[in-house]
Amino acid sequence: QTVVTQEPSLTVSPGGTVTLTCASITGAVTSGYYPNWFQQKPGQAPRALIYSTSNKHSWTPARFSGSLLGGKAALTLSGAQPEDEAEYYCLLYYDGARVFGGGTKLTVL
Amino acid sequence: EVQLVESGGGLVKPGGSLRLSCAASGFTFSNAWMNWVRQAPGKGLEWVGRIKSKTDGGTTDYAAPVKGRFTISRDDSKNTLYLQMGSLKTEDTAVYYCITDQRGYWGQGTLVTVSS
Repeated sequence: QTVVTQEPSLTVSPGGTVTLTCASITGAVTSGYYPNWFQQKPGQAPRALIYSTSNKHSWTPARFSGSLLGGKAALTLSGAQPEDEAEYYCLLYYDGARVFGGGTKLTVL
Repeated sequence: EVQLVESGGGLVKPGGSLRLSCAASGFTFSNAWMNWVRQAPGKGLEWVGRIKSKTDGGTTDYAAPVKGRFTISRDDSKNTLYLQMGSLKTEDTAVYYCITDQRGYWGQGTLVTVSS
């Protein structure tokens, strides 16, 4: 049984806006799940984009933002660039465990 | 600059053991909760386990597939995290990463292949 779910795939046009979501089988995702978002490109290690719901790293492009939306964690990309094509994973913190979502393959086309 | 460097991966036979290391720098390692995460070829990310800082008890938690076979430990004097893997199975084949619990900094990973 999948505990954390993400859209398997999404497509966005260059310059467009897309929102990726991260849901928990246990109910609404809150800030207490400390949602993290990671980007992974083929052949590379994952890279952190967002931690604790909405905090960005120094290297996180300004076009990425994290939030809570409708009971889910959300990663919004505003003004998509070709280099944003990648797999995106969310991570939720549960008591005693951390659980990754299955990942969203984002295509910029 | 935060740096995490994993090492110790390689080829091991089913039923064998292996110990991975993760050398940390650029932050106060002794205060950090640390995780091991793995990624099987062509698959998604899977959390393996976590160790708290000694200040917070130093306790560990593990994912069900590895519980009882894998052990996470730390040596704060060496700023190093360890993953002792035993009773290895072919399905443990993956790239293993160490990541910080806070802010999610990642290493580059080390490949473990379990095959006869």
